[in-house]
Amino acid sequence: EPEVTQTPSHQVTQMGQEVILRCVPISNHLYFYWYRQILGQKVEFLVSFYNNEISEKSEIFDDQFSVERPDGSNFTLKIRSTKLEDSAMYFCASSGTSGVKETQYFGPGTRLLVL
Amino acid sequence: LAKTTQPISMDSYEGQEVNITCSHNNIATNDYITWYQQFPSQGPRFIIQGYKTKVTNEVASLFIPADRKSSTLSLPRVSLSDTAVYYCLVGEREYGNKLVFGAGTILRVKS
Repeated sequence: EPEVTQTPSHQVTQMGQEVILRCVPISNHLYFYWYRQILGQKVEFLVSFYNNEISEKSEIFDDQFSVERPDGSNFTLKIRSTKLEDSAMYFCASSGTSGVKETQYFGPGTRLLVL
Repeated sequence: LAKTTQPISMDSYEGQEVNITCSHNNIATNDYITWYQQFPSQGPRFIIQGYKTKVTNEVASLFIPADRKSSTLSLPRVSLSDTAVYYCLVGEREYGNKLVFGAGTILRVKS
């Protein structure tokens, strides 16, 4: 079964540093998403991306965040200047245009720790 | 988006049937009910979706009464590996829509 992959699985960074989280969505999917989950809290939507542009973003997704699909397979989330409160698990997801709607396929996540 | 209410946690034993109920009093006509499962340190995984009555797949059943103000996810004969957080989501069924997760229900299956 095809799956979403994410790299790295863990990332430790210093406050103020830039990080790029990488995702390879399922190959024939057209919609891409980033979510995050702070330890012990609920999964929160960050941004959705379709047709090479942002479809929707949450209040969390401020100017420090950006997304990009640099080629036909990768989807990245960049945090320009990390803060302590950015420490969380970041999940990439993708969905297609067939099958059950609202079925998003999530990757295994990147655990980001900002020191 | 309709607000959902689920129990915070439930305990069960292996081999039992588990029913998790979700309340969504403000569900709209176009809304569907979707359940996701999340294991520790993993991303959520789609389980089942329905609009009314009963839906069954190889993993679970979903029961939705006529008024649609609640729904019940039924997991037959749970095993230890079913220990996870289960989320009930309510929203319009459109491609590309964000998912809005609540706190979910922590299901602990014991031997």
